[in-house]
Amino acid sequence: NAGVTQTPKFQVLKTGQSMTLQCAQDMNHEYMSWYRQDPGMGLRLIHYSVGAGITDQGEVPNGYNVSRSTTEDFPLRLLSAAPSQTSVYFCASSYSGQGSGANVLTFGAGSRLTVL
Amino acid sequence: QQPVQSPQAVILREGEDAVINCSSSKALYSVHWYRQKHGEAPVFLMILLKGGEQKGHDKISASFNEKKQQSSLYLTASQLSYSGTYFCGTEGDNFNKFYFGSGTKLNVKP
Repeated sequence: NAGVTQTPKFQVLKTGQSMTLQCAQDMNHEYMSWYRQDPGMGLRLIHYSVGAGITDQGEVPNGYNVSRSTTEDFPLRLLSAAPSQTSVYFCASSYSGQGSGANVLTFGAGSRLTVL
Repeated sequence: QQPVQSPQAVILREGEDAVINCSSSKALYSVHWYRQKHGEAPVFLMILLKGGEQKGHDKISASFNEKKQQSSLYLTASQLSYSGTYFCGTEGDNFNKFYFGSGTKLNVKP
């Protein structure tokens, strides 16, 4: 049981490049989400999904795309990377997104992205 | 809709106590507490679902005052292993959106 797996762990991009951060979970969780973490700002919600085929925006969705074709996978796409997207990205999942406050989030190990 | 945490940072000696506060401008139905060690992912500590409920985990406990829209995390007789950044998390108006505070960095020294 691997939990939540994120790849890559580190990535350096040039401004304007695109890339995909991968997130996979093997716990049969319905709810998956992406957060970015910047110094002094805590964890900010980018996008989330309550099940396969269903996604929605969080606090800071601009410049990011997501899709959920399977229960297990929730990739985050950066369309045209900007230096402001330099951050640590965490994927998190929980059993159900319905009344998400009742469901504990399990986090992946994080992906550190630098945009030059 | 981010909850507000205070203080931003705390420095303690081993054995001392600390309190971390979390407040929201909206009605709270639940509060989560997570701890993040440097360079690692946040890890769940506890969840409080009812007003006035207190929960404990080793010498770490928390209270939830639903009326005041506040939660507090109590660290008693702190140990070196308690060092890290503590986050509270709450639901938004949309129960599918979950927001975290900006974190409280706790440094326990020998």
